[in-house]
Amino acid sequence: QVQLVESGGGLVKPGGSLRLSCEASGFTFSDYYMSWIRQTPGKGLEWISYISSRGVSMYYADSVKGRFTISRDNSKNSLFLQLDSPRVEDTAVYYCARGRKEVAGSSPGQCDHWGQGALVTVSS
Amino acid sequence: QIVVTQSPSASGSLGDSVMLTCTVSRGYSTFAIAWHQQQPGKGPRYLMTINSDGSHNKGDGIPDRFSGSSSGTERFLTISSLQGEDEADYYCQTWGTGIQVFGGGTTLTVL
Repeated sequence: QVQLVESGGGLVKPGGSLRLSCEASGFTFSDYYMSWIRQTPGKGLEWISYISSRGVSMYYADSVKGRFTISRDNSKNSLFLQLDSPRVEDTAVYYCARGRKEVAGSSPGQCDHWGQGALVTVSS
Repeated sequence: QIVVTQSPSASGSLGDSVMLTCTVSRGYSTFAIAWHQQQPGKGPRYLMTINSDGSHNKGDGIPDRFSGSSSGTERFLTISSLQGEDEADYYCQTWGTGIQVFGGGTTLTVL
């Protein structure tokens, strides 16, 4: 079955850096769009980034553009999110999620499988 | 810019039916949406995708009590035979090239 397991969360100082990982199994990882979504404590879901199946195209929400970088390693069935210069307001649970299978001209589609989440706390 | 809007709260009694609404912004009436459920203390769970024509595709293991429909810019999630475990936050999501969008969520209380 499809499994997504995030790791790398923890405490980071404002202006520091942190790398989140998401290990995928149970499907052909290299065929699918992948996304990162976060949830601030007590708040709703916020999409922050997605990447195409082969890592050619990446898109970001304005709130993280220029500070966060999404990437993937299809040989290791892994998705990453590099958080550079995080701010206190980036404190959240970060989820990776699978989009749909990429075909020419498609968009990322629905998030049909989710990881369990990784908590990132930005604090001095 | 595409926006999806949800009412912040809804309620229903055990055994009853409830309909949650997600409204897609004007000009995006052909867009599909997805519904996700988040039970207290848990991560989100994908429920289904609803197309503009009302057809829908459910996620793995989603009970028949959950169904979807569509009218204009509105996409509906209907939960019948409400159970206590249905008390949760429900989020709708849509997408386009370069963007994914979530609604603010609806908190469903089962009375």
